Amino acid sequence: EAGVTQFPSHSVIEKGQTVTLRCDPISGHDNLYWYRRVMGKEIKFLLHFVKESKQDESGMPNNRFLAERTGGTYSTLKVQPAELEDSGVYFCASSQVSGGQYYEQYFGPGTRLTVT
Amino acid sequence: LAKTTQPISMDSYEGQEVNITCSHNNIATNDYITWYQQFPSQGPRFIIQGYKTKVTNEVASLFIPADRKSSTLSLPRVSLSDTAVYYCLVGPLYSSASKIIFGSGTRLSIRP
Repeated sequence: EAGVTQFPSHSVIEKGQTVTLRCDPISGHDNLYWYRRVMGKEIKFLLHFVKESKQDESGMPNNRFLAERTGGTYSTLKVQPAELEDSGVYFCASSQVSGGQYYEQYFGPGTRLTVT
Repeated sequence: LAKTTQPISMDSYEGQEVNITCSHNNIATNDYITWYQQFPSQGPRFIIQGYKTKVTNEVASLFIPADRKSSTLSLPRVSLSDTAVYYCLVGPLYSSASKIIFGSGTRLSIRP
């Protein structure tokens, strides 16, 4: 069974540009999460999809970040325009358990974003 | 939400048993304890979860005393490949995903 995949693995962009990160969850997983770790700090929750609906987006830092999950399969996270403080590693995770059991998640390898 | 405290780092040698303790003095009645492992350049990996007493799987054991104010992740006979960061998470299973807090974790280094 394929795991969670993320693309690209690395992205280097200039301040003000736009970047789109993609996450493909494990097939059949309705729950999809985005996290990020910036500047060597702790991994922080960004948002949670259940199928194509945003269940919780309380961790999204500001309106420069837009996440979508059309059709309830893969998800994209767009940063527009990117700022220096957006640099970090963006992780995607998925889980199949419904009803709120969110602790057993399967993570992707992450996308390392560098904004210069 | 229960706050957790773990050692920042630990060192051990191949073949040894490693025990990583996590303190969670304010754990709530409906909170579970979950441990993740993260290798360099990878995402965290779920390894074990428990509520009380002892849980064992093919990777590790989790010991939780009766008062549940701490828990110990036990890795039997570690190898170099067990070098990773280990996170202790505490919270209710049926809650908002935004309440999942990874913390700083424990950086475990295994030497030959």
